[in-house]
Amino acid sequence: DQQVKQNSPSLSVQEGRISILNCDYTNSMFDYFLWYKKYPAEGPTFLISISSIKDKNEDGRFTVFLNKSAKHLSLHIVPSQPGDSAVYFCAAKRGNTGKLIFGQGTTLQVKP
Amino acid sequence: GAGVSQSPSNKVTEKGKDVELRCDPISGHTALYWYRQSLGQGLEFLIYFQGNSAPDKSGLPSDRFSAERTGGSVSTLTIQRTQQEDSAVYLCASSSTGVEQYFGPGTRLTVT
Repeated sequence: DQQVKQNSPSLSVQEGRISILNCDYTNSMFDYFLWYKKYPAEGPTFLISISSIKDKNEDGRFTVFLNKSAKHLSLHIVPSQPGDSAVYFCAAKRGNTGKLIFGQGTTLQVKP
Repeated sequence: GAGVSQSPSNKVTEKGKDVELRCDPISGHTALYWYRQSLGQGLEFLIYFQGNSAPDKSGLPSDRFSAERTGGSVSTLTIQRTQQEDSAVYLCASSSTGVEQYFGPGTRLTVT
């Protein structure tokens, strides 16, 4: 029962172009969604979050879009930089449960 | 300021031995979480502490796993009679908002 899914295990883009990472979920009770970036041998780093009452949140080069009717969210990185190369996880939270439910991750490679 | 710290960074133990993993959360963060990431998998929730409330232990995989948080700060995750399937990276996170969680670097546990 995987409630949060990242169906693309990897993505490769050219430096300066847009990276789009996708995430699907099944539980309509989730009220917050988050994106994390992870480098090898490090813990995940929080990037950006979005409340379920919004459809877009932007922070610098990072924008998260939420489509509740499709139970889908995406992270856009513009412009992509080689330092963005990492594993990206989406995560979801429901109410006061506290715990995050993570997708399997997407490995992004940004080529110079 | 200081982030979440975890110790040890690496632990190799023999099957059947007990291990203790330590987490120092960000100062002032009332919520503390433990997750683990097995090879090639996403992050799996284990346990969650919030202030003085009873912890949410719903993610602990067996009764060999336990955790405590002393004085509302430092937490210890204990695994008794370790098995090879316990090999994973154990990650601790803390939060002040209950939404964004900030992760430590993790402890890589190898059970031989």
